[in-house]
Amino acid sequence: GQQLNQSPQSMFIQEGEDVSMNCTSSSIFNTWLWYKQDPGEGPVLLIALYKAGELTSNGRLTAQFGITRKDSFLNISASIPSDVGIYFCAGHRDNAGNMLTFGGGTRLMVKP
Amino acid sequence: DGGITQSPKYLFRKEGQNVTLSCEQNLNHDAMYWYRQDPGQGLRLIYYSQIVNDFQKGDIAEGYSVSREKKESFPLTVTSAQKNPTAFYLCASSHLQGTWQPQHFGDGTRLSIL
Repeated sequence: GQQLNQSPQSMFIQEGEDVSMNCTSSSIFNTWLWYKQDPGEGPVLLIALYKAGELTSNGRLTAQFGITRKDSFLNISASIPSDVGIYFCAGHRDNAGNMLTFGGGTRLMVKP
Repeated sequence: DGGITQSPKYLFRKEGQNVTLSCEQNLNHDAMYWYRQDPGQGLRLIYYSQIVNDFQKGDIAEGYSVSREKKESFPLTVTSAQKNPTAFYLCASSHLQGTWQPQHFGDGTRLSIL
């Protein structure tokens, strides 16, 4: 099945730096989700975006639903070591039942 | 606590053997899903079920089977026909009633070949 284009694939940053990652698609989605997966664990939902242009924050995390409805962005400010993990975007279309389409993930590594 | 429980955490399979991965949820969710995750890749859908005694194939169903005899349980069997079963398997569930809600995941089962 289709996967979303998520970039970058990996990032190695210094503690305290800000992080940006994005997800793009050739088609429109009605909902964008961002999950974080710690090593050896299941993904945990961070932020859900339901409206084009919506900007939502969760602590140091901020995500945006692109105006074109074909992309979404996740920013992490002032990174800390526990931000390490894999971040996945996922999109949902209203005509796709409850199915999600996932990005390939961004692996974040933080150097203390 | 409400949640999704997958067991076992680690599982080893011998050649020609079928193995079953357990997934139980006490969230009263209608829909349940199984995904496969390979290193450096995203999640691929194996099977999903929206109601008891009914399930549909996902993108990579070959070599797998499922059952949904109870709302809270959705076990996945990795059969001997699955020639490359080594992966991290994730179970998820979600509500289907009312406003659309995202899927929530269990902590996964890592399957390896002996």
